[in-house]
Amino acid sequence: DQQVKQNSPSLSVQEGRISILNCDYTNSMFDYFLWYKKYPAEGPTFLISISSIKDKNEDGRFTVFLNKSAKHLSLHIVPSQPGDSAVYFCAASGGSGTYKYIFGTGTRLKVLA
Amino acid sequence: ETGVTQTPRHLVMGMTNKKSLKCEQHLGHNAMYWYKQSAKKPLELMFVYNFKEQTENNSVPSRFSPECPNSSHLFLHLHTLQPEDSALYLCASSRAIDVNPYEQYFGPGTRLTVT
Repeated sequence: DQQVKQNSPSLSVQEGRISILNCDYTNSMFDYFLWYKKYPAEGPTFLISISSIKDKNEDGRFTVFLNKSAKHLSLHIVPSQPGDSAVYFCAASGGSGTYKYIFGTGTRLKVLA
Repeated sequence: ETGVTQTPRHLVMGMTNKKSLKCEQHLGHNAMYWYKQSAKKPLELMFVYNFKEQTENNSVPSRFSPECPNSSHLFLHLHTLQPEDSALYLCASSRAIDVNPYEQYFGPGTRLTVT
């Protein structure tokens, strides 16, 4: 059973608008969460992370929100740019080791110019 | 070279072949990882090395054999693979396991096709 789920396989957003990517998890032992971005023919690139002691972390245009009670995190990109078009993976870890990432299946974001 | 590099980028091998994947990191990290990404599936952690010592084998079949001669290099030796082993194999590194910052940095991957 998948412990980290990204239920939207794809998302299209107009340039300049907000992109919201969602991720749900089932394991209450997870205490560290990350978002990665992946372009074709490249490896995943780290974007932003959040520890379970926080509910929000911001880095430039990227903000991650964590709702522990709902076991839900989201990545907001504002404003969205065409260069943000990529596959976004969320990952979670904790309990048995912070380095043991459990990844979601990814959401393909397309930002339309 | 910067970051994490992987060679070859593409590999086609028969089921009776023996081949090796190579990963090198130029980040001064001490932990290295092998992941597998099959079509429509999430990345799966295969092996973890910390300061050259294997700390994790995630129930990987013995036809995959990792080697970590030093903290900068990681190999994945392949032999008698099956067609279902066709996947993207990604290498990653981090400062050390369970040491902040926890982020792992990935290479571009090797696309493996087993015929």
